[in-house]
Amino acid sequence: AQSVAQPEDQVNVAEGNPLTVKCTYSVSGNPYLFWYVQYPNRGLQFLLKYITGDNLVKGSYGFEAEFNKSQTSFHLKKPSALVSDSALYFCAVRDPPPGDYKLSFGAGTTVTVRA
Amino acid sequence: GAVVSQHPSRVICKSGTSVKIECRSLDFQATTMFWYRQFPKQSLMLMATSNEGSKATYEQGVEKDKFLINHASLTLSTLTVTSAHPEDSSFYICRASARGGLEQYFGPGTRLTVT
Repeated sequence: AQSVAQPEDQVNVAEGNPLTVKCTYSVSGNPYLFWYVQYPNRGLQFLLKYITGDNLVKGSYGFEAEFNKSQTSFHLKKPSALVSDSALYFCAVRDPPPGDYKLSFGAGTTVTVRA
Repeated sequence: GAVVSQHPSRVICKSGTSVKIECRSLDFQATTMFWYRQFPKQSLMLMATSNEGSKATYEQGVEKDKFLINHASLTLSTLTVTSAHPEDSSFYICRASARGGLEQYFGPGTRLTVT
């Protein structure tokens, strides 16, 4: 079964510093990987996805993620964090077509960016 | 981008009553809709998958007679929590997927509080 793990419950950084949120995956075959962000009492917002192609994926709000097959990782990064980036971040994986569209989510990482 | 709405955004009900939550895809046809529940500071747990015109498929441990899902049209799915209890209080989020689409669109969520 497809699964992802987010090893850190919380990440704290100062504004302006680089932000990294870690995700590792376990899949059979080629993974379809996603990052989502959730603000309090809101649904999930899509940040970026990796399907195929370049290992470095650029997404919304200045975020990017690097797909590393040898390390089975898909870490989310932002070069310079903002206070407004404080939120809950989820990594997710799904089967590639024609597999079903179920998304499996990591446990989530709470990011706090201090001014 | 595609928009998925949920109604209501918040609902408070008394124990023993039933609550219906609507999930609508506003500008695309959602052949598949997924329902999740999320407890505070936890990940999303998939409850069920519904395809338009057919019965929903429930995840293990989810009571299908308690959480009634209807996907009567390509733009509307409903989740009815029957005989609600305080332990059903949670954040319910729907996700919509178009046929063959890789994009996944989440609703903004519904906060259910059962008193």
